[in-house]
Amino acid sequence: AQSVTQPDIHITVSEGASLELRCNYSYGATPYLFWYVQSPGQGLQLLLKYFSGDTLVQGIKGFEAEFKRSQSSFNLRKPSVHWSDAAEYFCAGSSGTYKYIFGTGTRLKVLA
Amino acid sequence: DAGVIQSPRHEVTEMGQEVTLRCKPISGHNSLFWYRQTMMRGLELLIYFNNNVPIDDSGMPEDRFSAKMPNASFSTLKIQPSEPRDSAVYFCASSLAGRGEGEQFFGPGTRLTVL
Repeated sequence: AQSVTQPDIHITVSEGASLELRCNYSYGATPYLFWYVQSPGQGLQLLLKYFSGDTLVQGIKGFEAEFKRSQSSFNLRKPSVHWSDAAEYFCAGSSGTYKYIFGTGTRLKVLA
Repeated sequence: DAGVIQSPRHEVTEMGQEVTLRCKPISGHNSLFWYRQTMMRGLELLIYFNNNVPIDDSGMPEDRFSAKMPNASFSTLKIQPSEPRDSAVYFCASSLAGRGEGEQFFGPGTRLTVL
């Protein structure tokens, strides 16, 4: 069955530290993959997306993600976290149809 | 450009009452999605419209839920009668393609509380 898994429910990092949020997928073929961010009381905002081609994808707000077929992963990274990055992050996948499968989310806390 | 607009942002109602949530998608988008977000179940797709036509309503929990899209710029999600277990955040999203590569743009959501 198709699935998207985010193994970490909560992550805490200090401001200025690097960040990596994990996402694993299970699809028959290479899916379309997305990372969204949800700030408290807000909707989901797209950070970046991967369809094909270069496996390192640059997004907004200084985020990037790397698609690794061998590990079925699409991890989100940021070299230096800012306090404003505290939010919930969702990984999502699609097999090419309208139907997204969302991970359960990772809540990021940033320590001053 | 205005994003996806949802109203109301918050709704508190009593069990048994009818609730109507509203959504205005981004102009020019041909696909519209209603999602429900809860702590227990995460984000669930309730219904998907393409060109104003419901394509997939398999996520609608039960007959108490109904959704309409009378034109390209407006959609409603109605719950009648409402129950406490319907308490959740309901998101509307729209996209241009309706396919996997079509980025979905989300509205701010409606937080529904059923007492």
